[in-house]
Amino acid sequence: AQSVTQPDIHITVSEGASLELRCNYSYGATPYLFWYVQSPGQGLQLLLKYFSGDTLVQGIKGFEAEFKRSQSSFNLRKPSVHWSDAAEYFCAVGVNDYKLSFGAGTTVTVRA
Amino acid sequence: EAGVVQSPRYKIIEKKQPVAFWCNPISGHNTLYWYLQNLGQGPELLIRYENEEAVDDSQLPKDRFSAERLKGVDSTLKIQPAELGDSAVYLCASSLEGRGLTFGPGTRLTVL
Repeated sequence: AQSVTQPDIHITVSEGASLELRCNYSYGATPYLFWYVQSPGQGLQLLLKYFSGDTLVQGIKGFEAEFKRSQSSFNLRKPSVHWSDAAEYFCAVGVNDYKLSFGAGTTVTVRA
Repeated sequence: EAGVVQSPRYKIIEKKQPVAFWCNPISGHNTLYWYLQNLGQGPELLIRYENEEAVDDSQLPKDRFSAERLKGVDSTLKIQPAELGDSAVYLCASSLEGRGLTFGPGTRLTVL
């Protein structure tokens, strides 16, 4: 069965600084990989996804993620964070595009 | 397009009482999911529907939880009777094959 680890429970970053959120997965084959963002009181919004092809994936809101098979990782990055990026971020892995296992999430706080 | 609609957004009940949650997926999305999200954790799949058929309900606690998706559109998730440990956010999501899940805002249940 697949599983996801997000090693960082909470990250604080200054506005305008870069952000990287880590995600490691365990799965025997090439997985479907996703990053979702959840603002307080809101549902999860899909930021980006990887199925195959180019290992650097561009998403919405200026986010990107890189699939590294050798490291079983799918880290999320943003070059310059905005105060509105404060939220909880979830990495998910699936055997297809719907049978997903989610990580425990990383809470991002943005300081002025 | 309208997103996934859930109601109620918040529900407070006494333990041993029944409770029901309603979900209206995005028009045309044939796959519907119910997820459970405990505080500080990622969502966990309870049940997945393909049209009106429950194709994956292995994680649904069938002694107290039930779900239905009449006519393959709206869905209802019920808990009877509710227990203290059921306090969580119940997320509904829908998808069209290959395009990832779109989540609703969730129903936050508090069992007293």
